[in-house]
Amino acid sequence: GQQVMQIPQYQHVQEGEDFTTYCNSSTTLSNIQWYKQRPGGHPVFLIQLVKSGEVKKQKRLTFQFGEAKKNSSLHITATQTTDVGTYFCAGDPSGNTGKLIFGQGTTLQVKP
Amino acid sequence: NAGVTQTPKFQVLKTGQSMTLQCAQDMNHNSMYWYRQDPGMGLRLIYYSASEGTTDKGEVPNGYNVSRLNKREFSLRLESAAPSQTSVYFCASSEQGEVTEAFFGQGTRLTVV
Repeated sequence: GQQVMQIPQYQHVQEGEDFTTYCNSSTTLSNIQWYKQRPGGHPVFLIQLVKSGEVKKQKRLTFQFGEAKKNSSLHITATQTTDVGTYFCAGDPSGNTGKLIFGQGTTLQVKP
Repeated sequence: NAGVTQTPKFQVLKTGQSMTLQCAQDMNHNSMYWYRQDPGMGLRLIYYSASEGTTDKGEVPNGYNVSRLNKREFSLRLESAAPSQTSVYFCASSEQGEVTEAFFGQGTRLTVV
């Protein structure tokens, strides 16, 4: 079946270092979304990318959608302790139905 | 606005018992979802409802049933709980259209012993 793979599974960084998580889909996606889940919390929407090659920024976060619409990445510049949590990508292969296929998530730990 | 409200927050069941997880949203969304989250596996879609009166199976529907009671409410039922259904369950809702941002409830942590 359709799969979305996300790496790495865990990442420990020193505060101030950069962080990147990568997402790859087995099929072309209509759009890809990114969510953040704090420990013990629920996923919270960060962004949606729709266009091939799209790049969006939110302060220190940069999101990219690949040209083939099968891969994506999230890059955090100069991590802070508030960035701690698990970051999930979620692909919608079916054309804006909202039926998302989630990656396994990348758990980020930031050492102060 | 409360957003998406799930009850209960925690539940322990014995194998073979049944229970219903309740979910309600106050954002007038058409689409609602049930996901389960297991360690290292992300969230997996159990069932999906595009609108009142319609439901559709997701990736892992076996052992579950759902009811879209009205536009606000979408319940998930376990008829005969099994230890493999120990998980954290999230209900979510979204609007259909250009941006399908999902709003999640706080989750139900279910343990089946």
